[in-house]
Amino acid sequence: DGGITQSPKYLFRKEGQNVTLSCEQNLNHDAMYWYRQDPGQGLRLIYYSQIVNDFQKGDIAEGYSVSREKKESFPLTVTSAQKNPTAFYLCASKPSRGSYEQYFGPGTRLTVT
Amino acid sequence: AQSVTQPDIHITVSEGASLELRCNYSYGATPYLFWYVQSPGQGLQLLLKYFSGDTLVQGIKGFEAEFKRSQSSFNLRKPSVHWSDAAEYFCAVGVHTNTGNQFYFGTGTSLTVIP
Repeated sequence: DGGITQSPKYLFRKEGQNVTLSCEQNLNHDAMYWYRQDPGQGLRLIYYSQIVNDFQKGDIAEGYSVSREKKESFPLTVTSAQKNPTAFYLCASKPSRGSYEQYFGPGTRLTVT
Repeated sequence: AQSVTQPDIHITVSEGASLELRCNYSYGATPYLFWYVQSPGQGLQLLLKYFSGDTLVQGIKGFEAEFKRSQSSFNLRKPSVHWSDAAEYFCAVGVHTNTGNQFYFGTGTSLTVIP
């Protein structure tokens, strides 16, 4: 089955530690996205990548970093510089730069204490 | 700037009643329009989309939406709600920019279904 995998489903970290969230897709999509979701705030774009080895900052990139070394993988690192990292993180992809519809993974809930 | 407004933060309906979730957008041209549904703790699933043509579009799970250019709206409807429809619903707009096609989400409407 084609789709987007995010692991783990739940992640717990101590404050001050960096943590990396995994996102893998086997849809052969060019573009991939990371969103953060907080109650009552909808989805906010963190980073996106239209093609391998290239990525752009979204609306709330501070305290996050990404890499896109392979087409199917777009990991997100939440660094200790992120002031309020506890949230639900969603990864998405779409076929190409010119397409619109995005396909979403199941999400990772990160809790930092 | 582009924006998507979902004016209802939370809606409660009785099972079997009709449903309408509102969505308004701000964009110079006709955008591409989407509705997604999110069950608790899950990712987003596409319900339906509008690109062009017939302004009434049918989606999965018995949902439909109507694009009204004059009102800049894309409201989601369902004639008879089922308890399993309880979820968060997001309207989204796809627009063309110089850096590629971008997506903008509304803040969501939470639907509660009572027996």
